[in-house]
Amino acid sequence: GESVGLHLPTLSVQEGDNSIINCAYSNSASDYFIWYKQESGKGPQFIIDIRSNMDKRQGQRVTVLLNKTVKHLSLQIAATQPGDSAVYFCAEKWGYSTLTFGKGTMLLVSP
Amino acid sequence: KAGVTQTPRYLIKTRGQQVTLSCSPISGHRSVSWYQQTPGQGLQFLFEYFSETQRNKGNFPGRFSGRQFSNSRSEMNVSTLELGDSALYLCASSLGQGALNEQFFGPGTRLTVL
Repeated sequence: GESVGLHLPTLSVQEGDNSIINCAYSNSASDYFIWYKQESGKGPQFIIDIRSNMDKRQGQRVTVLLNKTVKHLSLQIAATQPGDSAVYFCAEKWGYSTLTFGKGTMLLVSP
Repeated sequence: KAGVTQTPRYLIKTRGQQVTLSCSPISGHRSVSWYQQTPGQGLQFLFEYFSETQRNKGNFPGRFSGRQFSNSRSEMNVSTLELGDSALYLCASSLGQGALNEQFFGPGTRLTVL
C-alpha cells in the first residue's frame, strides 16, 4: 500500500489501551479543526471535527480536545483496537481559507 | 453509493513529461479538491473546483493545473515533470464549496517521476 508513514512520529499501544494523539496547530485565528485517519493504501477519512467555540467534542470511542491557549489539539481513542492502526492527521481552517494539514502521527496497535 | 474514484492508481513518468490524473467524485458532489501528499511535506492543498470554476488555489507553480467538467469529474495536469513531483495525489469531493463541507477522499494516484 501507499507509504505515508515515513518520517512520522509513532505511537505504539496495546489493544484495549486508550490512545492520545496530539497536534500543535499553527494559526491562533483558526476556527475549525478536523481529525482524519489514513490507512495504508487509502485516502484520509474524516473522524471528528470541532469548532473553536468548543473545547471538547465526543464521538463514538473518540474525543477531541481543543486548547486554544496553547494552540493544541488532541484526539483520544478509547479501547484502541488493531483496526485503529493508521496515520492520524489534524487539519485547521481559518476564515475562508482551505484546510491546512499537520504532518501526522502513526498509531500502531498490538494485539 | 460509490466513493471517490481516481485513475490511474499508479503511474511512472520521466522528467520533462506531462501527466493527467482523473477524479470522479461521489454522485451529487459538486466540489472537487486536489492534494499532494509526500513524506516530507505531508498533505498540501493544490486547488478546489466547484461548478467548473477554480475557487481556491494552493501555493504550487503554474505547472500544476486542473479543470472540472459539467458532470463534476475533474482532472489535474502536471507539465514538465520534476523528480520532486513524485507523490501521492489525492482527490476529495464534497457536496458544497469550502472547507466546512465534509470532504471524502479517493485512494489517490501514486506518481513516480524518474
